[in-house]
Amino acid sequence: SQQGEEDPQALSIQEGENATMNCSYKTSINNLQWYRQNSGRGLVHLILIRSNEREKHSGRLRVTLDTSKKSSSLLITASRAADTASYFCATDAKGNEKLTFGTGTRLTIIP
Amino acid sequence: DTGVSQDPRHKITKRGQNVTFRCDPISEHNRLYWYRQTLGQGPEFLTYFQNEAQLEKSRLLSDRFSAERPKGSFSTLEIQRTEQGDSAMYLCASSSGGEDEKLFFGSGTQLSVL
Repeated sequence: SQQGEEDPQALSIQEGENATMNCSYKTSINNLQWYRQNSGRGLVHLILIRSNEREKHSGRLRVTLDTSKKSSSLLITASRAADTASYFCATDAKGNEKLTFGTGTRLTIIP
Repeated sequence: DTGVSQDPRHKITKRGQNVTFRCDPISEHNRLYWYRQTLGQGPEFLTYFQNEAQLEKSRLLSDRFSAERPKGSFSTLEIQRTEQGDSAMYLCASSSGGEDEKLFFGSGTQLSVL
């Protein structure tokens, strides 16, 4: 079963614009992570935010977490064509030993 | 290359045949996961190992599926009597466990059951 849902399901923007993706989840978590997947490939870890953190930055990535709303957002600034991929949130739920992934957002950057 | 490797990358089989996939994790990682992903969906958990011990299996995993990690190193996932509904990408991931566990994924095995 999928723990999280990403919104939107698909997003197309012009190169250089910012892209924002949202994730909602259902249970209490230890942390929330974002992964990227290029077509036909495995997933690559991007960034992790702990349940006691509200915002985290890594390069052009900014993640926010609102545990009261059980939601997170991923912002990619100054997008590039190479950012074209699917993005998944994954939650490490309390009492669970495995990551549970959302349904993903397909991001297309138009050159 | 010291990443997670999976073999084969693609497998086409006929319904009713058995298939086996292999995963070689990052050598120092003690945890190994199998996930299944269908088109347009996120990965769904199947099973995971801590060293050679299989600690959890998803209820999604029918008795036609079996996974092993005999010496706590590589792992195999076998599907017996394949069905068309088994067509999917099978992803392996490894990690060192612990707090703030992050998964390192292989490129997956794409299974097509005809």
